[in-house]
Amino acid sequence: DIVMTQSPLSLPVTPGEPASIFCRSSQSLLHSNGYNHLNWYLQRPGQSPQLLIYLGSNRASGVPDRFSGSGSGTDFALKISRVEAEDVGVYYCMQGLQTPYTFGQGTKLGIK
Amino acid sequence: QVQLVQSGAEVKKPGASVKVSCKASEYTFTDYFMHWVRQAPGQGLEWMGWINPNSGVTYYTQKFQGRVTMTRDTSISTAYMDLRGLTSDDTAVYYCAREKGGIFGVVGPWGQGTLVTVSS
Repeated sequence: DIVMTQSPLSLPVTPGEPASIFCRSSQSLLHSNGYNHLNWYLQRPGQSPQLLIYLGSNRASGVPDRFSGSGSGTDFALKISRVEAEDVGVYYCMQGLQTPYTFGQGTKLGIK
Repeated sequence: QVQLVQSGAEVKKPGASVKVSCKASEYTFTDYFMHWVRQAPGQGLEWMGWINPNSGVTYYTQKFQGRVTMTRDTSISTAYMDLRGLTSDDTAVYYCAREKGGIFGVVGPWGQGTLVTVSS
């Protein structure tokens, strides 16, 4: 199975400041189709996860442009350009390259 | 807007079975794979498998093989996840989530979740 490792696990951020979350996979997520099969999700407190970024860098419908995804192969990042209060929650990366799909441990973003 | 509405919370005794439903609306049910993911209390996300609603073909992660069955009823656009031999370790919120169209391995949107509590 592909192991997904996130860092940091906890991230306190001042509103208006940027934030970055990192995700590393135990093997490359680059498919022969040219896409990196890496997704990012946000789970707000008490809610279901929601898709933020798919295929490494594509924002899902309705996701604000302050969220961006980057990376290739085994190293990926999610960046929030200016954190807002509504961004609080747990962020997960997930690899969708091969079954079983696997998630990172989650990064809890809180407001300072 | 795609909607996935799951059945209500369940309390089961160890050794029992539970069947969670996921009713889809606002899209063609048979056009998209449905995935199941669970989350134990205070823990992360664990992917369980998928079902192709068109063919009924399923894939289960090895951990759940022999204990889980995913089915669907296309006449009512509903997917089901049946888990047998419950133990306290199966206490979790179970989510259904539709695969995003056009590309494999992208899961979303998600249902609201169904809490399954296993307790004697």
